[in-house]
Amino acid sequence: QKEVEQNSGPLSVPEGAIASLNCTYSDRGSQSFFWYRQYSGKSPELIMFIYSNGDKEDGRFTAQLNKASQYVSLLIRDSQPSDSATYLCAVIRTNAGKSTFGDGTTLTVKP
Amino acid sequence: GAGVSQSPSNKVTEKGKDVELRCDPISGHTALYWYRQSLGQGLEFLIYFQGNSAPDKSGLPSDRFSAERTGGSVSTLTIQRTQQEDSAVYLCASSFGTGFLGNEQFFGPGTRLTVL
Repeated sequence: QKEVEQNSGPLSVPEGAIASLNCTYSDRGSQSFFWYRQYSGKSPELIMFIYSNGDKEDGRFTAQLNKASQYVSLLIRDSQPSDSATYLCAVIRTNAGKSTFGDGTTLTVKP
Repeated sequence: GAGVSQSPSNKVTEKGKDVELRCDPISGHTALYWYRQSLGQGLEFLIYFQGNSAPDKSGLPSDRFSAERTGGSVSTLTIQRTQQEDSAVYLCASSFGTGFLGNEQFFGPGTRLTVL
């Protein structure tokens, strides 16, 4: 079992829909959770981070964390074609330094 | 301020040659990370530096790989006797720290290494 698991996709949604990206992790000591967006041929770009259980909203993006279920998700509302990318989930056990990334979910938003 | 910079952006080398990849982190960031990403794959952790502490080398795939960080800033990743399987994009990231806050990593543009 991988330490951080994501559905590889591809996930395809129509423009304007909600895209839901999921991530599970195995280390219960994990305390920091991140979502990165990576366009093809580019480096990852941080879009959200969350530390506490519950929801965190930033514009069209909402991160959700449930530590009891070891689950973190990213919702993208009003999806746009420009959101088409690979989304990487990353998990850190605070003060351990090393972060663990999932393999990413590829999202395609169709006009 | 400036983001993380890496050089060169592309490197083509012959099998068996040594290569050096450079990373200049964001000013004031104490933590620096190296990752490798093969085509269509996720990020593979290589090594991590935090301040003056001994680096976490647990991700280095073989003893042909080494890295150093001089003066707590610039880092160099060296690959000796390169092999074709070393071909990948090498990404560097930095973060302000590793505590509960400020551990978000910011990535450089990467170095694409091709070993012929």
